[in-house]
Amino acid sequence: AQSVAQPEDQVNVAEGNPLTVKCTYSVSGNPYLFWYVQYPNRGLQFLLKYITGDNLVKGSYGFEAEFNKSQTSFHLKKPSALVSDSALYFCAGGYQKVTFGIGTKLQVIP
Amino acid sequence: GAVVSQHPSWVICKSGTSVKIECRSLDFQATTMFWYRQFPKQSLMLMATSNEGSKATYEQGVEKDKFLINHASLTLSTLTVTSAHPEDSSFYICSAEGPPDEQFFGPGTRLTVL
Repeated sequence: AQSVAQPEDQVNVAEGNPLTVKCTYSVSGNPYLFWYVQYPNRGLQFLLKYITGDNLVKGSYGFEAEFNKSQTSFHLKKPSALVSDSALYFCAGGYQKVTFGIGTKLQVIP
Repeated sequence: GAVVSQHPSWVICKSGTSVKIECRSLDFQATTMFWYRQFPKQSLMLMATSNEGSKATYEQGVEKDKFLINHASLTLSTLTVTSAHPEDSSFYICSAEGPPDEQFFGPGTRLTVL
């Protein structure tokens, strides 16, 4: 069985500071890993994915994520947070049948 | 980029009625579509996998007779919540599988059953 864990319910960061949203995974075989963002009452928006290749994946809106096989992690990062980044972030893993983490609420404080 | 639409975006219905939600891939063909359900402050839970021209595959615990899924074409899948009850109130999100190895999500449908 595959699983994705997001250990933090909420992350608070000051505007302009770097942000990290954590994700660990347990996926059989080669992991397909994704990050999505959800704004209130909206659907999911794709940010980035890792399938193979470079461990550092760059995505939309300046976000990036680092795949770490030894730590089975896929943390989402951004060098400088914006207030508009405040949203709910989901880590997901799997091929076809995608399993989502519970989500982390990111609050960027002006 | 690939776009998936859902209709309606929100719906309010009376208990006991049926509601149909449409999921369309607008600029690509999707052999496989997925239906998810999201409760408030919770993650997305996969309900079923919809394959064009064949029966949907339901996840454990999902009532197939209550949540009817039809995938009649490569661009349209429908989810019908039959005899809806207040506990069926939720946010329903579909996704369509497109190349390469990515799911494209619809904006979601908010269902409220009175």
